[in-house]
Amino acid sequence: DSGVTQTPKHLITATGQRVTLRCSPRSGDLSVYWYQQSLDQGLQFLIQYYNGEERAKGNILERFSAQQFPDLHSELNLSSLELGDSALYFCASSGGQLWENEQFFGPGTRLTVL
Amino acid sequence: QQQVKQSPQSLIVQKGGIPIINCAYENTAFDYFPWYQQFPGKGPALLIAIRPDVSEKKEGRFTISFNKSAKQFSLHIMDSQPGDSATYFCAASNAGNMLTFGGGTRLMVKP
Repeated sequence: DSGVTQTPKHLITATGQRVTLRCSPRSGDLSVYWYQQSLDQGLQFLIQYYNGEERAKGNILERFSAQQFPDLHSELNLSSLELGDSALYFCASSGGQLWENEQFFGPGTRLTVL
Repeated sequence: QQQVKQSPQSLIVQKGGIPIINCAYENTAFDYFPWYQQFPGKGPALLIAIRPDVSEKKEGRFTISFNKSAKQFSLHIMDSQPGDSATYFCAASNAGNMLTFGGGTRLMVKP
């Protein structure tokens, strides 16, 4: 158990809908990262937050957004969903210093868009 | 510049064998190279990691070899067991930034 929690575990929804994925980092970790894992694209970085502030953006679609709250939990919002958004979404967290590299992954949320 | 290339895509070994998975990177600013193990339906789990100031690191049955000049690193699993059957990902990052992952290697260890 990495100490990172994600909810829900599974999500099934329809095209055009909006969903919110939630992540709680390990106790004391200030950085939260979101990754998408699909069969054709592998593990891709989406976005990073550090202590409530957006720090880095990867290949994140404009339909997707995220935020990190004062209690350090994070939410990833996916809107106008398309079939191709079906994937595993992982959250990872790392320690209190910006330069700390070790990232610990949560169990993921499996999103299915029908 | 951000790519990490991993090979092979899949690997089958007998129990007790030593599977070797290789990765190559392009960005010389990368300063941290972890390996993750992922079982079906689970999140990637950090296995072992190395920084470019050392050429080898061992943790239990897992060893990373690192060649800075060639921009390559590899994972060796000693005395492999059926329980090691999983997908392995190499990755790289710079100064605590996001991880760039290789494409993954599906390992099967036959009893």
